[in-house]
Amino acid sequence: TQLLEQSPQFLSIQEGENLTVYCNSSSVFSSLQWYRQEPGEGPVLLVTVVTGGEVKKLKRLTFQFGDARKDSSLHITAAQPGDTGLYLCAGKRANQAGTALIFGKGTTLSVSS
Amino acid sequence: EPEVTQTPSHQVTQMGQEVILRCVPISNHLYFYWYRQILGQKVEFLVSFYNNEISEKSEIFDDQFSVERPDGSNFTLKIRSTKLEDSAMYFCASTRTDLGNTEAFFGQGTRLTVV
Repeated sequence: TQLLEQSPQFLSIQEGENLTVYCNSSSVFSSLQWYRQEPGEGPVLLVTVVTGGEVKKLKRLTFQFGDARKDSSLHITAAQPGDTGLYLCAGKRANQAGTALIFGKGTTLSVSS
Repeated sequence: EPEVTQTPSHQVTQMGQEVILRCVPISNHLYFYWYRQILGQKVEFLVSFYNNEISEKSEIFDDQFSVERPDGSNFTLKIRSTKLEDSAMYFCASTRTDLGNTEAFFGQGTRLTVV
């Protein structure tokens, strides 16, 4: 059983299209972080969401944390080839001691021109 | 911009050999972590380290693994006797606090190949 389910697993779109990636769980998280990972490199932090219902924007990327803090979404507007990569959500469960992050399996995005 | 650095970037070792993976966390961070990512699979937590001792470890982190902060800047992961299934990308990360919303910064990773 995956604690953090990401969907879709793969996404291939044309430049200019919009897309949404989802990160869902049955557990409550004290925070969720979104990372982007290039092949052969480490995850690079994009954003952290903490408050239920919180929305954060990073240029063409919009991140939302669910009201119950069990899910999150990443929406990309007018995708560009430079957005291609693996998008990971990761979080710390609210009732979990320690600081270890639980990761989803990721969504591989491919944007073609 | 401060970053977590890891060396080496690639390591090939024979099964049964010991390897040491090195990391320099961000200088004002107090909490250090090792994660691994087997090819095609998700990133998995191995161990966290604070105040010169392990604060948390996963079931993956068995007696073959150890961590150390030998000086004020390096943080190392040692695998005593490598197995084929230890082949993976190993990522070091650090955080400034242990709060739930603290941001983890990852290094570029060490690709370990056990042959």
